[in-house]
Amino acid sequence: NAGVTQTPKFQVLKTGQSMTLQCAQDMNHNSMYWYRQDPGMGLRLIYYSASEGTTDKGEVPNGYNVSRLNKREFSLRLESAAPSQTSVYFCASTTRGGAAGANVLTFGAGSRLTVL
Amino acid sequence: QKEVEQDPGPLSVPEGAIVSLNCTYSNSAFQYFMWYRQYSRKGPELLMYTYSSGNKEDGRFTAQVDKSSKYISLFIRDSQPSDSATYLCAMSYYTGNQFYFGTGTSLTVIP
Repeated sequence: NAGVTQTPKFQVLKTGQSMTLQCAQDMNHNSMYWYRQDPGMGLRLIYYSASEGTTDKGEVPNGYNVSRLNKREFSLRLESAAPSQTSVYFCASTTRGGAAGANVLTFGAGSRLTVL
Repeated sequence: QKEVEQDPGPLSVPEGAIVSLNCTYSNSAFQYFMWYRQYSRKGPELLMYTYSSGNKEDGRFTAQVDKSSKYISLFIRDSQPSDSATYLCAMSYYTGNQFYFGTGTSLTVIP
């Protein structure tokens, strides 16, 4: 049982390049999330997917797109990377609570992105 | 006013000390109260969570929720150098997609 798996772990991009961060969970969770974490800023929500087929913007969605490919997988795409997107990105998932189970997040190990 | 407030520290204690980490919150509708431990350059790891109010104990760790004061605490007994990390509190509703995080408290346990 791997939990939440993110790839790649590290990536260096040049300004203007594109890339996709991949995330997969094997806990049969309904909801999935992408956060970024910057020093002094805490965790900030980029996008989330409440269920397969739906996505919604979070606090800092500009410059990002997401795809909920199926129940297991949720990807984050940077179409034209900017230095301001240098950050550590975390994927997370949850049952979404209620009868489905505890409404708590499980995080992946993170993807460290540097944009030059 | 932020939904969740957490003293960022840093907090430095000698090995064996009792550590108290705290968060306050403003929304009385929160039902899940989580503590995450994040080692340097790693992802947040769910340490423990409490549903509604009361205490929960797991080994050297105790989580407390005081809903009347809107205050949660994490106690670490007999602290170890391996406990050195950033501790994040987080809160959510019974169901839904909103999660609210503190900014984290950096803890160093000195051997």
